[in-house]
Amino acid sequence: AQSVTQLDSHVSVSEGTPVLLRCNYSSSYSPSLFWYVQHPNKGLQLLLKYTSAATLVKGINGFEAEFKKSETSFHLTKPSAHMSDAAEYFCVVSGGYGNKLVFGAGTILRVKS
Amino acid sequence: GAGVSQSPRYKVAKRGQDVALRCDPISGHVSLFWYQQALGQGPEFLTYFQNEAQLDKSGLPSDRFFAERPEGSVSTLKIQRTQQEDSAVYLCASMPLLLLAAGSGANVLTFGAGSRLTVL
Repeated sequence: AQSVTQLDSHVSVSEGTPVLLRCNYSSSYSPSLFWYVQHPNKGLQLLLKYTSAATLVKGINGFEAEFKKSETSFHLTKPSAHMSDAAEYFCVVSGGYGNKLVFGAGTILRVKS
Repeated sequence: GAGVSQSPRYKVAKRGQDVALRCDPISGHVSLFWYQQALGQGPEFLTYFQNEAQLDKSGLPSDRFFAERPEGSVSTLKIQRTQQEDSAVYLCASMPLLLLAAGSGANVLTFGAGSRLTVL
């Protein structure tokens, strides 16, 4: 079975400072991992995905994530936060037939000016 | 269409009423998923279609929940005799590919904006 734990329910950073959103996963299969972002009243948008290729994955809007098998982690980072990054972020694992996605509980990112 | 379209965007129902939520996937997308997102939580899988076939309904919380996709395109999620615990955002997602086996890869879903159901 697959599961995801997002270690922080809320993260607050100042504009221009780095962002770190933490995620640990558990999977019976070789996992595919994703980060999605959800802005209020908008659909979930894919930021990036890991599919057993390069362990450092680059996504949209300057976000990156590094797959660390030994730590079962897939933390999301960004060097410099923008106000527009304020949203809820979900770490997601996929595996097994049907591509059923298992979502973490989400991390709300607040960006202070 | 350009994206996944869901309607209604907002629905208020009295406890005991039946509701129907509609999803228009991206044209030509074979796979369609429904997820339920309760307040303050991540989305949880409800059911999955490939074309008109419902291949997995393991996430439906009770027999009051029913989903269909009769012609392999538009899908409807129906909730009978709604309860307060059914209040949530219901998300639909689609993707073009047909999944064949475990670990088929990170096929990317396109999500709709959701239908927010409030049961009073």
